[in-house]
Amino acid sequence: DIQMTQSPSSLSASVGDRVTITCRASQSISRYLNWYQQKPGKAPKLLIYAASSLQSGVPSRFSGSGSGTDFTLTISSLQPEDFASYYCQQTYGTRTFGQGTKVEIK
Amino acid sequence: EVQLVQSGAEVKKPGESLRISCETSGYSFINYWITWVRQVPGKGLEWMGRVDPTVSYPNYGPSFQGHVTISSDKSTRTAFLHWSSLEASDSAIYYCARQMGTRVFDYWGQGTVVTVSS
Repeated sequence: DIQMTQSPSSLSASVGDRVTITCRASQSISRYLNWYQQKPGKAPKLLIYAASSLQSGVPSRFSGSGSGTDFTLTISSLQPEDFASYYCQQTYGTRTFGQGTKVEIK
Repeated sequence: EVQLVQSGAEVKKPGESLRISCETSGYSFINYWITWVRQVPGKGLEWMGRVDPTVSYPNYGPSFQGHVTISSDKSTRTAFLHWSSLEASDSAIYYCARQMGTRVFDYWGQGTVVTVSS
């Protein structure tokens, strides 16, 4: 299986901060990389697909970039509703997810 | 409006069988695969497998092959996840999701909590 490693595992940030989460694949996955947001007690929600395409209805402060093995999710100005966990997912091979990054209030 | 509504929480004993469901609405059921994802509380997400609802044809992730059965019924627009013999390690939250194309999970059910304990 392709292993996905996210960093950091958790971070503390303030409203208005720029936040970047990285995801590294154990082999090249082209741009077959999605990002999901999950709030406590809720199902994951699709944010970004194909590395950089914004899902309909997702605020433009979310953006994704990368290709090959290295990817990033950026939140340009953190809002109160963005405190959640974020997961990357590769869809090049058998689908696997990163271990998650928890974004907490500073 | 696209909706995936899952069956309620279950408490079972080891060795028992279980089937949970994912009832869909708001879109053409046969045009989108349904996928299942496991989440152990406090842990990450694991892809279990998916089903082509046109013919109820499943694919499984390596960790789940032989341990669960995924199926669907297009007459009721519902997908299913079935265990013939539960283990304590099956305790988790199970999510169904609609698969957009072959690579994106765009709509999710609310999750079904399964607890397996003697």
